[in-house]
Amino acid sequence: AQKVTQAQTEISVVEKEDVTLDCVYETRDTTYYLFWYKQPPSGELVFLIRRNSFDEQNEISGRYSWNFQKSTSSFNFTITASQVVDSAVYFCALGGTGGFKTIFGAGTRLFVKA
Amino acid sequence: EPEVTQTPSHQVTQMGQEVILRCVPISNHLYFYWYRQILGQKVEFLVSFYNNEISEKSEIFDDQFSVERPDGSNFTLKIRSTKLEDSAMYFCASSELVTKYEQYFGPGTRLTVT
Repeated sequence: AQKVTQAQTEISVVEKEDVTLDCVYETRDTTYYLFWYKQPPSGELVFLIRRNSFDEQNEISGRYSWNFQKSTSSFNFTITASQVVDSAVYFCALGGTGGFKTIFGAGTRLFVKA
Repeated sequence: EPEVTQTPSHQVTQMGQEVILRCVPISNHLYFYWYRQILGQKVEFLVSFYNNEISEKSEIFDDQFSVERPDGSNFTLKIRSTKLEDSAMYFCASSELVTKYEQYFGPGTRLTVT
């Protein structure tokens, strides 16, 4: 079965703290894609990153970084020096699992307090 | 940068009424999708559409739902007789043929059924 688990329902941090959002996935496919999306209070889904299963290199984009580990089926997302504008719900998602759909995790709501 | 657009941004309807949600996918994309997000919950796949037919659908996508590409640009989701539990954010997405797992999401239509 294909599944995405985001065990952290809510995280609250103080501005400038680093925060890591966990994502664990399940799939039997050898080729798949992993995504992170941000959903601010306005409701739209903002694409952050896509990773394919053959590329385990970690990625850094400004204050954001992602750690993909196939051995533990995890694709964790770290925000360094968090800011109030980072407050949102973050979804991890799995795609390319033998069909056309993207499977989303339940999301982690991040509160960054000033 | 090309983007997926959706209209209306918010639709209020009475139970039992038919609604049509509209999407304009990115122009060179060939795969189209609808997803649903009930308030506070995760994003769920409804249906994918390619070459004028449904490629895959979830168990949520019952006989009350239908999709159509009435012309070369629009992609619609029709709910025949809305129920209270259809209240949700509906996201349209599209992807290119080759990289079909990279789905671009529209801003969503918030449907409220009263």
